[in-house]
Amino acid sequence: GAVVSQHPSRVICKSGTSVKIECRSLDFQATTMFWYRQFPKQSLMLMATSNEGSKATYEQGVEKDKFLINHASLTLSTLTVTSAHPEDSSFYICSARKNPGTEEAFFGQGTRLTVV
Amino acid sequence: GIQVEQSPPDLILQEGANSTLRCNFSDSVNNLQWFHQNPWGQLINLFYIPSGTKQNGRLSATTVATERYSLLYISSSQTTDSGVYFCACTGSARQLTFGSGTQLTVLP
Repeated sequence: GAVVSQHPSRVICKSGTSVKIECRSLDFQATTMFWYRQFPKQSLMLMATSNEGSKATYEQGVEKDKFLINHASLTLSTLTVTSAHPEDSSFYICSARKNPGTEEAFFGQGTRLTVV
Repeated sequence: GIQVEQSPPDLILQEGANSTLRCNFSDSVNNLQWFHQNPWGQLINLFYIPSGTKQNGRLSATTVATERYSLLYISSSQTTDSGVYFCACTGSARQLTFGSGTQLTVLP
């Protein structure tokens, strides 16, 4: 398999502050990483596709100015939730594929964000 | 985009029983994966199976791509098998689309 590490696993922040979540591919390079959000008792919904060295592609309805994505290297993508509000509280999880390689995706451990 | 449907939504079993989870998808796929989400939210890769049959211990999976469905079999279920099972597919776009999941509860 392949290892994707996400940090932090859990974070609590105050309304109005920003939170950065890191996603690293530990034993492979990934030009593309994906960010998902999961609300309680629901499935995973794709938020954006992170592309190394270029702008991220956001899904419809996801505010790009609120969810800033940076993919500065072949092993690291970051998601910053800016000016967080309680409704941003959710489980955020990233994934990556080996590059080049199969279509099989591997996921990080996820980050549980609570905005108070 | 591709649509992914899973059934049943909920399944309760007695320990030792067998079960079959189903995943239907609306279009041809480049990738199909089965995951188990543990209580901490971690997605555990079970199978990468865009076609064919694979087995791993008590778990096996079959994807019939021409008929657009996949099945996950769990034999001799254990309480540790409890959790949510997701099927996810990639169509012409590269991102995975998830089904709504099957919540499995195995009773001792």
